[in-house]
Amino acid sequence: DAKTTQPPSMDCAEGRAANLPCNHSTISGNEYVYWYRQIHSQGPQYIIHGLKNNETNEMASLIITEDRKSSTLILPHATLRDTAVYYCIVRVDGSNYKLTFGKGTLLTVNP
Amino acid sequence: DAGITQSPRHKVTETGTPVTLRCHQTENHRYMYWYRQDPGHGLRLIHYSYGVKDTDKGEVSDGYSVSRSKTEDFLLTLESATSSQTSVYFCAISGWTGGANVLTFGAGSRLTVL
Repeated sequence: DAKTTQPPSMDCAEGRAANLPCNHSTISGNEYVYWYRQIHSQGPQYIIHGLKNNETNEMASLIITEDRKSSTLILPHATLRDTAVYYCIVRVDGSNYKLTFGKGTLLTVNP
Repeated sequence: DAGITQSPRHKVTETGTPVTLRCHQTENHRYMYWYRQDPGHGLRLIHYSYGVKDTDKGEVSDGYSVSRSKTEDFLLTLESATSSQTSVYFCAISGWTGGANVLTFGAGSRLTVL
């Protein structure tokens, strides 16, 4: 699976949009981009995933660049409860072997 | 977390003693994983299983063994615990949800080795 690069930390004001970037310049054509988040001391939680097209669900939006070398997770109206570590992972769908997580981005939402 | 439970949730033990952590799932998923999480290191894969009696090593497997005798249970054993194995351990299962191959994590087991 391709390697990802994320900033170690970011801040966001409550009520504003949080835009979390992820670089995956070595991504291959059959690899999906997945986002998870981990709220303090809990197990990570799936947020969203995508291949080429932008995706939106009740939690967030995922914007993938046309060359697929980077993506952005958008939390449209961040709340204090969105303070968490956000992980970006790329993987071949159906490939369940040796799934690895990097250190992610610690997003702090400030009042 | 729905469908996946870990036990015990907290354990304190002494160096040199054996420890077994249990992960139980009710989702009938084929793939199960054990991760450890330490400050500054993020989540690191210890072992994973791709079926009953089928397991393989992750990136930090030294000092750990696993067993999977039935689909629903994945056991992580520390044969002789060391202080460096003090950590939070997360179990995860992998399955298809809404077109996505999603990892679902347990609530974690906090192990302290004195």
